[in-house]
Amino acid sequence: AQRVTQPEKLLSVFKGAPVELKCNYSYSGSPELFWYVQYSRQRLQLLLRHISRESIKGFTADLNKGETSFHLKKPFAQEEDSAMYYCALSPSGYSTLTFGKGTMLLVSP
Amino acid sequence: DAGVIQSPRHEVTEMGQEVTLRCKPISGHNSLFWYRQTMMRGLELLIYFNNNVPIDDSGMPEDRFSAKMPNASFSTLKIQPSEPRDSAVYFCASSLDSGLTDTQYFGPGTRLTVL
Repeated sequence: AQRVTQPEKLLSVFKGAPVELKCNYSYSGSPELFWYVQYSRQRLQLLLRHISRESIKGFTADLNKGETSFHLKKPFAQEEDSAMYYCALSPSGYSTLTFGKGTMLLVSP
Repeated sequence: DAGVIQSPRHEVTEMGQEVTLRCKPISGHNSLFWYRQTMMRGLELLIYFNNNVPIDDSGMPEDRFSAKMPNASFSTLKIQPSEPRDSAVYFCASSLDSGLTDTQYFGPGTRLTVL
């Protein structure tokens, strides 16, 4: 069975500092990886997916199959980035998602 | 588009009572998912429907939980009888069925408290 691990429950940084939210996974095949985000009083929503290879709101994530990681990075954090971030995995060919427990990012002024 | 609609938004009930949570997916979406979120276990998939048919219910905790999707625009998750350990936020999500792992669109959630 697949598993997603987000080792940090809380990450607190100052505005302008670099951010890295860690995500490690275990899965024997070739998964699809995602980052979902939940801002205060908003719904959980997709931030980015690895197959898109795009930057959303300044965030990027690279799938490292050797290290089985999909860390989320942003060079300069903004206060509006404060939110709960969830890493998720979908087994190849399946529609379901397995989520990590999430990391709360707090960006202070 | 109002997105995925869930009702009620909050539910407080007593142990032993029946609880029914409702979900209306985004029009045109063929897949529907029910999740449960708790502090201890995070966000867990309970059941997944595709074209109104349950495909994966391996996450349903026990026989007290049941889910139905009688048509493409409505689904229910029922707990009978409810227990305090069922207290959680229950999310419904929907997605297109394009053959890939599509973006899931989440509802606002139902916060259930069982006393």
